[in-house]
Amino acid sequence: KAGVTQTPRYLIKTRGQQVTLSCSPISGHRSVSWYQQTPGQGLQFLFEYFSETQRNKGNFPGRFSGRQFSNSRSEMNVSTLELGDSALYLCASSLVSGGHYNEQFFGPGTRLTVL
Amino acid sequence: GDSVTQMEGPVTLSEEAFLTINCTYTATGYPSLFWYVQYPGEGLQLLLKATKADDKGSNKGFEATYRKETTSFHLEKGSVQVSDSAVYFCALYRGGGSEKLVFGKGTKLTVNP
Repeated sequence: KAGVTQTPRYLIKTRGQQVTLSCSPISGHRSVSWYQQTPGQGLQFLFEYFSETQRNKGNFPGRFSGRQFSNSRSEMNVSTLELGDSALYLCASSLVSGGHYNEQFFGPGTRLTVL
Repeated sequence: GDSVTQMEGPVTLSEEAFLTINCTYTATGYPSLFWYVQYPGEGLQLLLKATKADDKGSNKGFEATYRKETTSFHLEKGSVQVSDSAVYFCALYRGGGSEKLVFGKGTKLTVNP
């Protein structure tokens, strides 16, 4: 069974540009969450999508957005990039939503460097 | 809001040494608690979990017990190996219609032969 895949694995952009990252969840998983990982702030929750709807959003500016497609694949977009957006962006998928915990499986991440 | 505090690293041990990484949490209700591990260049892998008070999670020689009275979930291993070198994250999940995990800042462990 294929794991969570993220593309691209590495990106270099300059300030002011925008970027789109892609995440393909494990087959059958309907929930996709995004996290930003930086040395200073650690792992911070960006947002979660389930059945093409954003269910929860972390404390990030509106420059960070996302969407989910009918096949559960998800993209996140960052507009007007800032130096502080340099980070590892991790995507995680889980089988179903609900009140009980469903194990989340993480992809390898996309390393974004903003120059 | 919910938060997780874990001991700052880095932690450096010799092979076969005893490992403890402290983790405490703040959350309303009864969260589930987890330890994730991140090897260099990889994403996070679930190491172990506990979903209610006094539960003990265990995997690959690692253990952690959910202590509600002290709001703690400390990770322990009796004898570490070089292959355990990684970054360890404590996390909580409170549910409520979201898959959001709240993570501690991570503890980097290096095990020397």
